[in-house]
Amino acid sequence: AQSVTQLDSQVPVFEEAPVELRCNYSSSVSVYLFWYVQYPNQGLQLLLKYLSGSTLVKGINGFEAEFNKSQTSFHLRKPSVHISDTAEYFCAVSDQGGGFKTIFGAGTRLFVKA
Amino acid sequence: DAGVTQSPTHLIKTRGQQVTLRCSPISGHKSVSWYQQVLGQGPQFIFQYYEKEERGRGNFPDRFSARQFPNYSSELNVNALLLGDSALYLCASSLEQGMSNQPQHFGDGTRLSIL
Repeated sequence: AQSVTQLDSQVPVFEEAPVELRCNYSSSVSVYLFWYVQYPNQGLQLLLKYLSGSTLVKGINGFEAEFNKSQTSFHLRKPSVHISDTAEYFCAVSDQGGGFKTIFGAGTRLFVKA
Repeated sequence: DAGVTQSPTHLIKTRGQQVTLRCSPISGHKSVSWYQQVLGQGPQFIFQYYEKEERGRGNFPDRFSARQFPNYSSELNVNALLLGDSALYLCASSLEQGMSNQPQHFGDGTRLSIL
């Protein structure tokens, strides 16, 4: 079984400051890793994914994440945030062995202040 | 191209009633998954359907059921509604089943409120 822990429920940050949203996972098998963003009253939108290869993954809207297998982490970063980045961010894992279930973390609310 | 569409967008029901939620996947996508997102939490997996067959089920009671039609659209049914069923119900589609490296494309959800 897999589990995902997002270490911060809320992250307030000033505009143009850097931000890191932390995600740890637990799994007995190899996993694929994803970050999704959810704006108010909308569904989830994929930001980036780690499947294999380079541990540094670049996504949309200037976000990137780094896969650390030894620490079972997949932290999301952005060097300079905008007001429009205010949203809920979800880390998710799925089993590399195939299958159907994606496990989501509880989410981190990023609040960008002017 | 249209994304994943869900209907209705909002729904209010009372305890004990039954509800049907609908989802149309992205054209060409054969797999549909349903998630329940309670306020303040991440989405919880309910079902996956592929080629009209149930391929996976999460830890939800038998009051929850679903089906997929030949055109790959899907319905989620919930019977004997409880207050705790109040949530945002999300539908997601992907090209194939069993390829967990494929990201899912989500609809905007149906907000279900139980009074």
